[in-house]
Amino acid sequence: AQSVTQLGSHVSVSEGALVLLRCNYSSSVPPYLFWYVQYPNQGLQLLLKYTSAATLVKGINGFEAEFKKSETSFHLTKPSAHMSDAAEYFCAVSSAGRRALTFGSGTRLQVQP
Amino acid sequence: EAGVTQFPSHSVIEKGQTVTLRCDPISGHDNLYWYRRVMGKEIKFLLHFVKESKQDESGMPNNRFLAERTGGTYSTLKVQPAELEDSGVYFCASSQGTGSSYEQYFGPGTRLTVT
Repeated sequence: AQSVTQLGSHVSVSEGALVLLRCNYSSSVPPYLFWYVQYPNQGLQLLLKYTSAATLVKGINGFEAEFKKSETSFHLTKPSAHMSDAAEYFCAVSSAGRRALTFGSGTRLQVQP
Repeated sequence: EAGVTQFPSHSVIEKGQTVTLRCDPISGHDNLYWYRRVMGKEIKFLLHFVKESKQDESGMPNNRFLAERTGGTYSTLKVQPAELEDSGVYFCASSQGTGSSYEQYFGPGTRLTVT
């Protein structure tokens, strides 16, 4: 079985500050890991993915995440927050044997001016 | 290239009625998925089609839910009869049949409200 835990349902940062959204996963097989973002009234958009290549993954809009097997983590970071980053972010896991995504509960990011 | 589309965007029905949601995947995508997010909860997997076949339907909550994908193109998800706990946002996603990316492209969702 697979599971994802996202610490913090709401995160608030100031514009220009570091963004850190936490994700820990559990998987009995090598995982594939994803971060999705949902802007208001839109579908989920893929930010980045880890599929067993480089452990530091760079995505769109300046986001990146690092796969740390020893910590079972895949935290999302961005050096400098923009107002346009305000959205809900989801971490998800799947595997080669099961393509269905298992999602975390989501983290709503608020960016203060 | 058109993305994943879903219809309707919103649906309000009474308990006991029937509702049919439709999903049109990205052209050429063999894999089609349905997910649901109930208010305040995480997004949950419902089922996975490969072309017209159900590959994994382990997430379907009960037999009031029926999913079809005729001809391996668009898919429908019927809820009959609807219950209050069926309210939520239903997402559809699609992905290519080959390759290791496993990247799923999501539609905007259908918000279902059962009163």
